[in-house]
Amino acid sequence: GAGVSQSPRYKVAKRGQDVALRCDPISGHVSLFWYQQALGQGPEFLTYFQNEAQLDKSGLPSDRFFAERPEGSVSTLKIQRTQQEDSAVYLCASTPGHPSTDTQYFGPGTRLTVL
Amino acid sequence: RKEVEQDPGPFNVPEGATVAFNCTYSNSASQSFFWYRQDCRKEPKLLMSVYSSGNEDGRFTAQLNRASQYISLLIRDSKLSDSATYLCVVNMRTGGGNKLTFGTGTQLKVEL
Repeated sequence: GAGVSQSPRYKVAKRGQDVALRCDPISGHVSLFWYQQALGQGPEFLTYFQNEAQLDKSGLPSDRFFAERPEGSVSTLKIQRTQQEDSAVYLCASTPGHPSTDTQYFGPGTRLTVL
Repeated sequence: RKEVEQDPGPFNVPEGATVAFNCTYSNSASQSFFWYRQDCRKEPKLLMSVYSSGNEDGRFTAQLNRASQYISLLIRDSKLSDSATYLCVVNMRTGGGNKLTFGTGTQLKVEL
């Protein structure tokens, strides 16, 4: 079946530009996560949704980062006024239920480069 | 101090060797533990969960020591296809749910 998909796969932005990254979780998956992975590092948690509710946004690095999941399926991560330090791979993951021990299924990521 | 610490490697080993990776975590309230594998420029994929009793999946054995807050992964008879980065992952309950905390990963290169 279809896995988690993300678009675009690659994005180049000029410093100061706004970007929007999309995640399509596996159909029916309740929980959705966003992670940021810098080069040579492990993924770092950004935010978590259960259906349309954003239950944890403690990992968002600044108020330039905003995520939404208005209908409980597709999610968008928006970064305003991008900075060079925002360059990273942004990974989305979903789980079928409440993520206590559920496996997280990752999408291929969006590689963002800010010039 | 990082919440999950791993030796970044790289570990360069010959095919057929046995290799062990270690990981420590700082939050004693951590609930569940995993090893993920990440190939170059690909997404992380679950390799195996880790239990206190130890668990084995083919050539892979994982072990958790809660008292020492230590997790290990042993790969026996390593194959060229095992070359990847191995991420130690800890699941912690947060105010809103659960979140995964990843180590920086240990890079393994298996050579002929």
